[in-house]
Parts: sequence; structure tokens; C-alpha cells
Amino acid sequence: AQSVAQPEDQVNVAEGNPLTVKCTYSVSGNPYLFWYVQYPNRGLQFLLKYITGDNLVKGSYGFEAEFNKSQTSFHLKKPSALVSDSALYFCAVRDFKGYSSASKIIFGSGTRLSIRP
Amino acid sequence: SQTIHQWPATLVQPVGSPLSLECTVEGTSNPNLYWYRQAAGRGLQLLFYSVGIGQISSEVPQNLSASRPQDRQFILSSKKLLLSDSGFYLCAWTPGTSLSWGLGELFFGEGSRLTVL
Repeated sequence: AQSVAQPEDQVNVAEGNPLTVKCTYSVSGNPYLFWYVQYPNRGLQFLLKYITGDNLVKGSYGFEAEFNKSQTSFHLKKPSALVSDSALYFCAVRDFKGYSSASKIIFGSGTRLSIRP
Repeated sequence: SQTIHQWPATLVQPVGSPLSLECTVEGTSNPNLYWYRQAAGRGLQLLFYSVGIGQISSEVPQNLSASRPQDRQFILSSKKLLLSDSGFYLCAWTPGTSLSWGLGELFFGEGSRLTVL
């Protein structure tokens, strides 16, 4: 069964420092990977996705993620953190089974990112 | 442009009472629709998804049901609420066209917070 793991419940980073939020996945077939951000009492917002192509994907708000097939990972990164980046971050995977059937999107448990001034 | 609406935004209901949460999408046709539940501000659990009118797939056995009476309307219901039904319910959609649905990210509504007392 497809799954996504976010091993860290919380990540604390000083403003201006680089940040990494970890994600590993397990799927049968091609992985389609996503990162979302959630601010308090709000819906999730899409940040970026990997479908195919370059392993380094750039997204919204200066975030990027690196797809590593051998390590089955898709870590979220940002070179310089901002206090406004503090939020809950979710990694997700879609197991793409083909055009004729619906696919599921499975989310990780979330990582709370806290950026201190 | 496409928009997604969820209501009510907050709801406090007694145990044993019925529930109806509504979600509508505007600006697109034949979307894939999803209901997720988020408990305690953490991970998302996929409850139901739908690829068309009257077509509902249930992911977990539970006290809830879903219906899709119109192309862009998705309803989450319960006949008798349990304490364990409390949570933050999120509706989401992806494009339903065969060329793009497998690759598209989810677009989320702002959520409905349900408290069962």
C-alpha cells in the first residue's frame, strides 16, 4: 500500500537559516509527490509537486524540494527561513494507476515548522 | 477561475444529532472531489472521493456517508453523530479531465470545524 512518512513532528529553525522538512514515500508504480502548507484553521495550500523531470523542483514562497528515487525521499527545503514560514507542512503522494481509474492522494502526518526571530 | 466553498465553517452539535456539510466547486466541470478529516490539527485522513455524480468511494468504515447529487456538489452526512466525529473536515478537488487529473494537485476549501458534545 502507498504511504508517506514525515519523521519529524516539529522542526525549529532560526530566521535566516536554511530549513529542511523531511519526507519519505512508499508506492507501487510511479510516485507523484506534493508538498502543502497549512496555516491555523485554514485549508491546505499547494506548494510544489514532482511529476517527472528535474529532481529539484521549485515552488511557491521560495520553497524547493529534491526528489531522490534511490532513497525514496522528497525533502522540502528553503535556503533562508522567514518567521512567516511557520506553519504545518504536509507531504503527499499520489499513486497514479492510469487514466481510466481514480487515484488516491495520501498525506503524511505533518511537520510543524517553527521559525524563531 | 475556479473556487471551492465549504459551509458551515464551524458547527457545534450534540451527540446523536444529524450532520450535513456541503462543498461546492465553481468554474470547472466534472471535478474529482474529496472529503478529508483532520483530527487534532495533524494528519489528514481520506474519507471519501468521487469521480462523478452518484459515484462515491469510501476509504474507511465509519459513521459518515457522502453523496454527490450534482456535478460540483459534494455532501458529507451523518444520521447520528458520535464524539469521535469531532474534527476539521476539508473538501478538495482536482481536475477530472483524463489528461490532467492524474497529475494535478488538490485544491482545498477553508474547512469546517465540527465539535460534537
